Amino acid sequence: GQQVMQIPQYQHVQEGEDFTTYCNSSTTLSNIQWYKQRPGGHPVFLIQLVKSGEVKKQKRLTFQFGEAKKNSSLHITATQTTDVGTYFCAGGGANAGKSTFGDGTTLTVKP
Amino acid sequence: GAVVSQHPSWVICKSGTSVKIECRSLDFQATTMFWYRQFPKQSLMLMATSNEGSKATYEQGVEKDKFLINHASLTLSTLTVTSAHPEDSSFYICSAITPYSGNTIYFGEGSWLTVV
Repeated sequence: GQQVMQIPQYQHVQEGEDFTTYCNSSTTLSNIQWYKQRPGGHPVFLIQLVKSGEVKKQKRLTFQFGEAKKNSSLHITATQTTDVGTYFCAGGGANAGKSTFGDGTTLTVKP
Repeated sequence: GAVVSQHPSWVICKSGTSVKIECRSLDFQATTMFWYRQFPKQSLMLMATSNEGSKATYEQGVEKDKFLINHASLTLSTLTVTSAHPEDSSFYICSAITPYSGNTIYFGEGSWLTVV
């Protein structure tokens, strides 16, 4: 079945440094979503990408969907302590609504 | 834009009782809805696919008699956790798709279930 792999599992950065998490699928995706989960909280939807090569920005966050629609990345510029949490990607396969979640990347930011 | 509403956001129930969680598409008709759950410090796992007017399709390892899913209308799917036990405590989230949304799916905000 479809597998979505996310790396790295953990990332520790100094405040102000950049951060990137990568999501790779074993099959072509119809869409990909990104979520952020704060410690003790629930996953919060950040964005959805649908088009090949799509790039979207939300302030310091940049989301990319690969040309082959098999990978995606989330890049945070100049991290802040408020960015801490676990970032999940979720990819939709042939059945676009059926998402497979990655295991998440947990970001810690040292002030 | 399209909105999916989940209710309740938080629920605490006693062990042995049943709990119903609703997932509603507020401004579109959702032919298919999906239910996920997340255990602490783990990722979200698909539980079942809910199709309007037909039986849900469950993922391997998910007990269909314990997690009853009903999709009686194009805007509502319900997940009932029957005879809940503390190990059922989890975060449950639904998503919906419509034939007119292309490859876009819409997620609810999730429901926290705590069984005591």
